[in-house]
Amino acid sequence: EPEVTQTPSHQVTQMGQEVILRCVPISNHLYFYWYRQILGQKVEFLVSFYNNEISEKSEIFDDQFSVERPDGSNFTLKIRSTKLEDSAMYFCASSRDRLGYGYTFGSGTRLTVV
Amino acid sequence: GIQVEQSPPDLILQEGANSTLRCNFSDSVNNLQWFHQNPWGQLINLFYIPSGTKQNGRLSATTVATERYSLLYISSSQTTDSGVYFCAVSPTSGGYQKVTFGIGTKLQVIP
Repeated sequence: EPEVTQTPSHQVTQMGQEVILRCVPISNHLYFYWYRQILGQKVEFLVSFYNNEISEKSEIFDDQFSVERPDGSNFTLKIRSTKLEDSAMYFCASSRDRLGYGYTFGSGTRLTVV
Repeated sequence: GIQVEQSPPDLILQEGANSTLRCNFSDSVNNLQWFHQNPWGQLINLFYIPSGTKQNGRLSATTVATERYSLLYISSSQTTDSGVYFCAVSPTSGGYQKVTFGIGTKLQVIP
């Protein structure tokens, strides 16, 4: 069964550093997403991405964050100047179409900011 | 936006027992999924079930879309079933791309 792959599974970074989280969506999917879960809290939507553009973003997704599809297979989330409160699980997802058909989540990257 | 309520919030089971987890949602959905979050925080997809019934081993799920609820059944529970179970939906009336999660049911299975 096709999977969304996220790397690394765990990343530790120093406060103030930039970090890039990587995702490989399912190959025939056209819509890509990032979600965040702070420890013990709900999984929250960050951003959706289609046709090399952000199609929707939440209030959490401020100027500190950016997304990119640098090539035909990867989808990345960049966090500039990380803060302690950015420590969370970050989940990537993809779907085949705008109605969310085949919506599939990766297993996540745990980001720890120290 | 769509509201997702899960119950119970916490559940402790003796190994071998059966349980039912419930998810209520406030609007029509075109996408409903159940996830298990393991102790390492990884999300494992259990079912994609916007309607109907599916079974996978000891787990099964039923979604009654017209009544806006879904149930996850766990039979003969094992300690490895421990973790948090999330229901996640996206509505048919727009905002399809944004999946909304419930707060989860935290399950602990004791030997």
